[in-house]
Amino acid sequence: DGGITQSPKYLFRKEGQNVTLSCEQNLNHDAMYWYRQDPGQGLRLIYYSQIVNDFQKGDIAEGYSVSREKKESFPLTVTSAQKNPTAFYLCASSAPYRGGKNIQYFGAGTRLSVL
Amino acid sequence: GESVGLHLPTLSVQEGDNSIINCAYSNSASDYFIWYKQESGKGPQFIIDIRSNMDKRQGQRVTVLLNKTVKHLSLQIAATQPGDSAVYFCAETLENAGNMLTFGGGTRLMVKP
Repeated sequence: DGGITQSPKYLFRKEGQNVTLSCEQNLNHDAMYWYRQDPGQGLRLIYYSQIVNDFQKGDIAEGYSVSREKKESFPLTVTSAQKNPTAFYLCASSAPYRGGKNIQYFGAGTRLSVL
Repeated sequence: GESVGLHLPTLSVQEGDNSIINCAYSNSASDYFIWYKQESGKGPQFIIDIRSNMDKRQGQRVTVLLNKTVKHLSLQIAATQPGDSAVYFCAETLENAGNMLTFGGGTRLMVKP
């Protein structure tokens, strides 16, 4: 099956701990994204990557880090500097823009909570 | 399931009725728009899209209307079913913005049996 796989589905973080959320896609998409979703709010962009070995900060990058060593993978690390990490995290990917459509396809999400 | 938005605007409709979900977008230069559906505890799913050179596009049981004059999008769902209950987001983008989307705040649709 083609798609975007996020793991784990639920994750708990202790104070001062870094945690990493996994996102893998087999859609052969060049671009990948991480969003944060809080209750009562829409999706806010954390980081995005248009191509392997390159990524850019989104609107709320502080306290997060990413890497893009492989086309298929875009892991997100929530660092101890992120003081309010409890949220639903969504990963998305899209095909490179060539005058076509900018549809982003989403994974099922990871819910992160603080212990 | 998990709630994705406790304080979102909510539209409550009777099963079988038509639903209209509205979205005001922010950038008058945006030229491509997408509607997503997000069920509780899941990621958003693509429903339908529309380019700015159109004012209406129909899918299966869904229609998107675009009014560029007032920067307004609407999603119409015909014969609403319990499975339509979800949060609906609109997203906008510029053709020269690469793959970047700007998402609206979302509307929760509740279908009463």
